[in-house]
Amino acid sequence: ETGVTQTPRHLVMGMTNKKSLKCEQHLGHNAMYWYKQSAKKPLELMFVYNFKEQTENNSVPSRFSPECPNSSHLFLHLHTLQPEDSALYLCASSQDLLAGGASGTTQYFGPGTRLLVL
Amino acid sequence: DQQVKQNSPSLSVQEGRISILNCDYTNSMFDYFLWYKKYPAEGPTFLISISSIKDKNEDGRFTVFLNKSAKHLSLHIVPSQPGDSAVYFCAASAGGTSYGKLTFGQGTILTVHP
Repeated sequence: ETGVTQTPRHLVMGMTNKKSLKCEQHLGHNAMYWYKQSAKKPLELMFVYNFKEQTENNSVPSRFSPECPNSSHLFLHLHTLQPEDSALYLCASSQDLLAGGASGTTQYFGPGTRLLVL
Repeated sequence: DQQVKQNSPSLSVQEGRISILNCDYTNSMFDYFLWYKKYPAEGPTFLISISSIKDKNEDGRFTVFLNKSAKHLSLHIVPSQPGDSAVYFCAASAGGTSYGKLTFGQGTILTVHP
């Protein structure tokens, strides 16, 4: 399998459930990202990992807990979510952190997990 | 505080004509800009990028123009094809402490009619 894969593709959970989203990249990249896309809103960066270390937490509530066991895998653990957390959760990877300018690199996205919190 | 804006939610174009998608930004620290395309049920796919040291970058039918003084970039697709129908996002990044952070616009839905 190539590129960035995400499982599950769809998830329905209650507010008291605990679930996990999984992302795997087969590109040999060192940086991985979680994004959230709510309806009619821009993609919003949640977390950034570089060489398994978290480098960015964009003020994300603690009910979202990321885990990066190695450079190829990224998880997002979910617990006690709210209905407003329903969204499309996208994982991405890049060779290195997007440094901007002439040294900028591209982020490659997975297909996303459509999450519905009831 | 939306730093990257795509003010046109949708655009409809005839096949063979030019599609022009626009994007404005407010953060003068942005120095790298990207366009992504997204089909339903798929993740965004990278299309083309431009560094702030350039004002134009071309790749086949896709050309991105950057006007730094106006803080404006645009994506031109010539000629447009029905398969180009998708949501187009512009994104921007800055160096320094913003390593790894892409800021996206809301997206523009492009429909190319046969």
